[in-house]
Amino acid sequence: EIVLTQSPATLSLSPGERATLSCRASQSVSSYLAWYQQKPGQAPRLLIYDASNRATGIPARFSGSGSGTDFTLTISSLEPEDFAVYYCQQRSNWLPFTFGPGTKVDIK
Amino acid sequence: QVQLQESGPGLVKPSQTLSLTCTVSGGSISSGGYYWSWIRQHPGKGLEWIGYIYYSGSTYYNPSLKSRVTISVDTSKNQFSLKLSSVTAADTAVYYCARSIAVAGTFFDYWGQGTLVTVSS
Repeated sequence: EIVLTQSPATLSLSPGERATLSCRASQSVSSYLAWYQQKPGQAPRLLIYDASNRATGIPARFSGSGSGTDFTLTISSLEPEDFAVYYCQQRSNWLPFTFGPGTKVDIK
Repeated sequence: QVQLQESGPGLVKPSQTLSLTCTVSGGSISSGGYYWSWIRQHPGKGLEWIGYIYYSGSTYYNPSLKSRVTISVDTSKNQFSLKLSSVTAADTAVYYCARSIAVAGTFFDYWGQGTLVTVSS
C-alpha cells in the first residue's frame, strides 16, 4: 500500500494570503495524484487530478504541481469559502486507492 | 450531470451486516468506462476507500477490509450496493459512494452526499 503524508496538519491563514499544502507519497505515484476539498457536512469535491489539472469549474486560484513522491497544492489568494480540509489521493499501478490524512486550512 | 445517492439503515447492531445502496442518475452504470466505489470516513477522521465494482461485476477491494466486504451491481436499476459483515463500533462512519474513470491513476469525480451508519446495540 502506498502511504500518503500531508503537511502541515493545520494551516492558519488570513483571507487573501497564499496557502501551500504538501503531500508526500511513500513511493512514486508518477503524476497519479488528486486533491479534494471537504467542508463540514459535505462530501469531498475534486479540485485537481493528475497532479496539475484543475477539475471542471475549479477557480484558477487553485493549482497543483509535483510528480513522483512530492506534490503541492497552492491556493494563490484565499477566499472565505476556501477554509476547509484538503486531502490528497493516489491510485498508482492498479494498487488500492489511498488518501492522505488531510490538511485543515483555518482562519487566523 | 451525474448524481449519486446512498440509502440504507442508519443503525446496525454489532456482528450484523451493514447494507447500503447507491443509486446513480444522469448516467448509466452499464455504459462502462467507470469504477463505482464505496468510501468511508470515520467521525472526525480521514477517508478510507473500501472497494469498487465495474459494470461487468468485476470487483477490487481494499485488502484491509476484503474478508468482510461484498460489492454488487444491479444495472437494471442503475444501482450498486455494499455489504459489510460482522460489523463493530469501529465501522461507525459516513459512507460515500463515488465514481472514478476506469483507468490506472484514477480519481473520484462524482460523490454521493454520504450517509452516516452507526454500529450500536
